[in-house]
Amino acid sequence: QVQLVQSGAEVKKPGASVKVSCKISGYTFTDYFIHWVRRAPGQGLEWMGWVNSNSGATNFVQKFQGRVTATRDTSTTTAYMEVSGLRSADTAVYYCASEVANSRTIDYWGQGTPVTVSS
Amino acid sequence: QSALTQPASVSGSPGQSITISCNGTSSDVGGYNSVSWYQQHPGKAPKLIIFDVSNRPSGISYRFSGSKSGNTASLSISGLQAEDEADYYCISYRSGSTYVFGTGTKVTVL
Repeated sequence: QVQLVQSGAEVKKPGASVKVSCKISGYTFTDYFIHWVRRAPGQGLEWMGWVNSNSGATNFVQKFQGRVTATRDTSTTTAYMEVSGLRSADTAVYYCASEVANSRTIDYWGQGTPVTVSS
Repeated sequence: QSALTQPASVSGSPGQSITISCNGTSSDVGGYNSVSWYQQHPGKAPKLIIFDVSNRPSGISYRFSGSKSGNTASLSISGLQAEDEADYYCISYRSGSTYVFGTGTKVTVL
């Protein structure tokens, strides 16, 4: 059974960084892409980008480039996303989700990690 | 990166059918058969209900169906039930190996 288990809620001050983890089990880790999606309060889902679990290559939308770093550790089958220079607009629930490489279907999701940015 | 356009809300009575549209461009919805739909209840993670325009994952009710015409994808829910009340999102693959979500639709069961 495929499972994605994320790290717990975080509260950060503006300008700080946050690193969210996503532990994956139940399938061959390197056969998948891991996507990162967020939902801010009162807003819809926003696709941020993906990391190729095999090669480590990433592709994030332009608004996050330079501020978001996505990595993975194949030995622990865990994906990570770090957001730096946090601002109040980054307050959201962050989700990781999996895609069989190049299937273009994002199927399994983590439970979400609430991140609150407040002074 | 502009989102796909969905109606903000759709409502129906139990047993009725509703349809949610998802308008994109030739660079996303119209250019690829890689449109998925998700159902999201409050406080829960999104759940995949349709992939590749019209395919249902195992365990998803036949009451959910998807289609596409040109740059517009659609999700239909037949025999509306109270448990269908949720937010629904489309997502499409987009050129440049990126993805884009729709604006989301709140479904209310009257």
